[in-house]
Amino acid sequence: AIRITQSPSSLSASTGDRVTITCRASQGISSYLAWYQQKPGKAPKLLIYAASTLQSGVPSRFSGSGSGTDFTLTISCLQSEDFATYYCQQYYSYPWTFGQGTKVEIK
Amino acid sequence: EVQLVESGGGLVQPGRSLRLSCAASGFTFDDYAMHWVRQAPGKGLEWVSGISWNSGSIGYADSVKGRFTISRDNAKNSLYLQMNSLRAEDTALYYCAKVGDGYKAWYFDLWGRGTLVTVSS
Repeated sequence: AIRITQSPSSLSASTGDRVTITCRASQGISSYLAWYQQKPGKAPKLLIYAASTLQSGVPSRFSGSGSGTDFTLTISCLQSEDFATYYCQQYYSYPWTFGQGTKVEIK
Repeated sequence: EVQLVESGGGLVQPGRSLRLSCAASGFTFDDYAMHWVRQAPGKGLEWVSGISWNSGSIGYADSVKGRFTISRDNAKNSLYLQMNSLRAEDTALYYCAKVGDGYKAWYFDLWGRGTLVTVSS
């Protein structure tokens, strides 16, 4: 199975900050990577797919980059509603695997 | 409204069985592969199983292989997960998820609210 290492596991930031989360795959996955946001008590929400394509309705302050093994999610100007846990997921090969999650907390 | 609604969760003893259901509405169900993803309390997301639009391709996580069976009924717009020989470590919120549009769009663009399975004596 492809392992996904996500970092950091948590971070503290203030509104207006630029935030970066990374995922590293144990082998090349081309651009078959998605990013999700999950708030407490809610289902995950798709933010980005194909490593860098913004899902419809997602604010443009979210962006994704990378291919192969190294990927990044960037929130350019953190808003109060962005405090949540973020997960990456590879869909290059079965079994699909997720990163461990990054909890973005208020500083 | 486009939505997925899971049901069938509950408290079950170790070794027993449970069948989860997911009712889809608002989209053409038989156009899409469907998946189950679970989340243990306070933990991250774990993919469990997936099934292609016509049930021709099915996959399972190693942790459930041989115990869980995924199926679908396109006439009823429904997805199922038969869970046998349940273990304490299967305790989780089980989400039903739909894949995206297009070629190899195997990410999840629609999720249900989940149904909670608790395995305990």
